[in-house]
Amino acid sequence: DTGVSQNPRHKITKRGQNVTFRCDPISEHNRLYWYRQTLGQGPEFLTYFQNEAQLEKSRLLSDRFSAERPKGSFSTLEIQRTEQGDSAMYLCASSGPGLQETQYFGPGTRLLVL
Amino acid sequence: KQEVTQIPAALSVPEGENLVLNCSFTDSAIYNLQWFRQDPGKGLTSLLLIQSSQREQTSGRLNASLDKSSGRSTLYIAASQPGDSATYLCVVNSLGGGKLIFGQGTELSVKP
Repeated sequence: DTGVSQNPRHKITKRGQNVTFRCDPISEHNRLYWYRQTLGQGPEFLTYFQNEAQLEKSRLLSDRFSAERPKGSFSTLEIQRTEQGDSAMYLCASSGPGLQETQYFGPGTRLLVL
Repeated sequence: KQEVTQIPAALSVPEGENLVLNCSFTDSAIYNLQWFRQDPGKGLTSLLLIQSSQREQTSGRLNASLDKSSGRSTLYIAASQPGDSATYLCVVNSLGGGKLIFGQGTELSVKP
């Protein structure tokens, strides 16, 4: 078990471009979470999956954002038509089936939109 | 709606001091509370997790307490070292949600 992995670790893009991030959870974990952290702030919840079902989405997740977990394993987070305000660290976490279980975080993907 | 507040926002201490970081939360209906460490530009490292039925957890020089009824937690760091310099995040897992609610963090600087 190598923990939660995220790719890429860093992404620089121009405003208006689309970007996609990937998260590979710990293999036996069926819950997967996405959080966003802007400079000087604590992370904020974006969305989470139980297996392949997306169970909750924050209002922070505008129409330009979409997340998928097609086979209940890895997940992707896509941002369309990026804006400078999307610049942030995107963190992924996974956990076992219970709501009270510890979430294990990946190293994050840092996005910079120029 | 759960809100988590951390005081102070920043703290600078000389090496060797004992220090306390404070966290408060508005809704006592929680599964657990966790303290994380974050180094600049890096991901999150879990330090201590306290279940709602527990009062404290200890790991090495770190001790975290939880008073659920008053909505407070403290992280105590003994004999601080320059390597402790980082941002410390208090995180609450509220009942019925599953998603974590983070405080804004306390940025700690330990001077040699």
